[in-house]
Amino acid sequence: EVQLVQSGAEVKKPGESLKISCKASGYTFTTYWIGWVRQMPGKGLEWVGIIYPADSDTRYSPSFQGQVTISVDKSLNTAYLQWSSLKASDTAIYYCARDYDSFDFWGQGTLVTVSS
Amino acid sequence: QSVLTQPPSASGTPGQTVTISCSGTSSNIGSNTVNWYQQVPGAAPKLLIFSNDWRPSGVPDRFSGSKSGTSASLAISGLQSEDEADYYCSSWDDSQNGRVVFGGGTRVTVL
Repeated sequence: EVQLVQSGAEVKKPGESLKISCKASGYTFTTYWIGWVRQMPGKGLEWVGIIYPADSDTRYSPSFQGQVTISVDKSLNTAYLQWSSLKASDTAIYYCARDYDSFDFWGQGTLVTVSS
Repeated sequence: QSVLTQPPSASGTPGQTVTISCSGTSSNIGSNTVNWYQQVPGAAPKLLIFSNDWRPSGVPDRFSGSKSGTSASLAISGLQSEDEADYYCSSWDDSQNGRVVFGGGTRVTVL
């Protein structure tokens, strides 16, 4: 059974760093792209970017390029999304999803709250 | 402002058919396939339709997708109360070095 299990909710202050995770199981991790999707409070879905675990080839949405970093640890079957300096506008739920020309399996989401 | 355009809301009574449109351009829907996602409030999105008109295993055949030119649509026939959710269309966009784009979402209400 394919599963993507994300790390728990985070509360951070502006300027702090953060790394959230997405652990995959039930399939060969290195053969599917993994994507990240943002959903701000009460809003729609936004594509952040994707990574191919086999070689860490990464693509970012122009809106998120330079704002976040996507990475993987193949030994842990885990993908990450990280910020070096959070802003209040980063407050959102972040979903990871397996990408096979569509996002066919999704994580449960990680709520990130940035507030002073 | 979403790249793909959907109506913000749609509604119907139980048993009716509801259709949701998704309008794009030649750089996204016009040259790539369309996927649809269902998001029940408080839950993660779920893949409903992929490659324009294919249903993943487990999705009822009440849900159907179609595409023509730079537009796509999702039809929900035999509307049920559990279909009350947000629905998003999505496609690959060939502009800006390539990216996934979503519609703004359509909230379906079962009256």
